[in-house]
Amino acid sequence: AQSVTQLDSQVPVFEEAPVELRCNYSSSVSVYLFWYVQYPNQGLQLLLKYLSGSTLVESINGFEAEFNKSQTSFHLRKPSVHISDTAEYFCAVSRPGGYQKVTFGTGTKLQVIP
Amino acid sequence: EAGVAQSPRYKIIEKRQSVAFWCNPISGHATLYWYQQILGQGPKLLIQFQNNGVVDDSQLPKDRFSAERLKGVDSTLKIQPAKLEDSAVYLCASSLVDSGHNEQFFGPGTRLTVL
Repeated sequence: AQSVTQLDSQVPVFEEAPVELRCNYSSSVSVYLFWYVQYPNQGLQLLLKYLSGSTLVESINGFEAEFNKSQTSFHLRKPSVHISDTAEYFCAVSRPGGYQKVTFGTGTKLQVIP
Repeated sequence: EAGVAQSPRYKIIEKRQSVAFWCNPISGHATLYWYQQILGQGPKLLIQFQNNGVVDDSQLPKDRFSAERLKGVDSTLKIQPAKLEDSAVYLCASSLVDSGHNEQFFGPGTRLTVL
């Protein structure tokens, strides 16, 4: 069985400061990893994903995440946050192959302080 | 391109009543998912359809929850009778195909409060 752990339920950070949202996964086989973002009163949106290849993946709005197999981690980082980044972020894991369930973490609320 | 539509957005009912949620996925998306998101938790998959067939309903409480996807397009999730612990946001998502790595597109959700 696969699982995802997001240790931080809330992360407050000042505007223009760097941020890291932590995600650790558990799986005995190959994995696909995702970060989804949920803005207030909206559905989840895919932010970035790791399937294979380069372990560093980037989003269009400046976030990046690095797949670390030895530490079973997929932490999300941004060097300088903006007020508009205030949202809840969910890490998720799946496996290659058909009909594979996506398992979500409990989420981390990022609060950017002006 | 229109997104995933859900209705209603909010619903308040008393325990033991019944309720139904509707979802219209993105046109052409073969796979449809229903998730339950309890406050403070991540989304939990209730049921997954591939066209109009059920792929996974292992976490659906079948004694009270039911779902259908007639004609492989829109879908309805029903709870009968509702319990207090069913209070949650019910999310519908869809994807082009199901192979684990395809992006899921989520609707805005239906917030259910059971009193």
